[in-house]
Amino acid sequence: TQLLEQSPQFLSIQEGENLTVYCNSSSVFSSLQWYRQEPGEGPVLLVTVVTGGEVKKLKRLTFQFGDARKDSSLHITAAQPGDTGLYLCAGENASGNTPLVFGKGTRLSVIA
Amino acid sequence: KAGVTQTPRYLIKTRGQQVTLSCSPISGHRSVSWYQQTPGQGLQFLFEYFSETQRNKGNFPGRFSGRQFSNSRSEMNVSTLELGDSALYLCASSFVGNPEAFFGQGTRLTVV
Repeated sequence: TQLLEQSPQFLSIQEGENLTVYCNSSSVFSSLQWYRQEPGEGPVLLVTVVTGGEVKKLKRLTFQFGDARKDSSLHITAAQPGDTGLYLCAGENASGNTPLVFGKGTRLSVIA
Repeated sequence: KAGVTQTPRYLIKTRGQQVTLSCSPISGHRSVSWYQQTPGQGLQFLFEYFSETQRNKGNFPGRFSGRQFSNSRSEMNVSTLELGDSALYLCASSFVGNPEAFFGQGTRLTVV
């Protein structure tokens, strides 16, 4: 069974600080997505990374896919209260035709 | 373009009852997946439908079932509800073969 481990589970920081959250597995994924979920809402897709070593930027958010396509990281620069939420990573099995594997998420709280 | 619509948003049921949840995917998306989300277990895959056929099934008891209609709308049913079925049920739609999932707001089911 493929597993995605996310760390840390919880993170509480002050506005303006930088942070990095991690998504790790022993399995290879053909792609990996990051989602953000706010309380009472469904997850919203932020980005998809496909190529090993790929880096994608979305404003203050930087996403990286590991060279071996087994792990990923999300770095937020100068966090704002609006960044608060549950960050989920999800991996697509390299063999295809199987459901996405989700990590349990990192719950981020940015305090003004 | 309209997003994924789930109805109802909130539901309170009694143990032993059954419940049906509905999901209308984004127009053009023919793949629909269902997930159960709880604080302890995170997002757990229930099943995926494409062209009215179940393509994948998660590790849930037979009390959980689903179906998809010719217009790609999907329903899931839970019979003989248990307290442990209390959760946020999320539906996600996607283009076939595309791992990027677009989620609805979810149905919050409470079993008392």
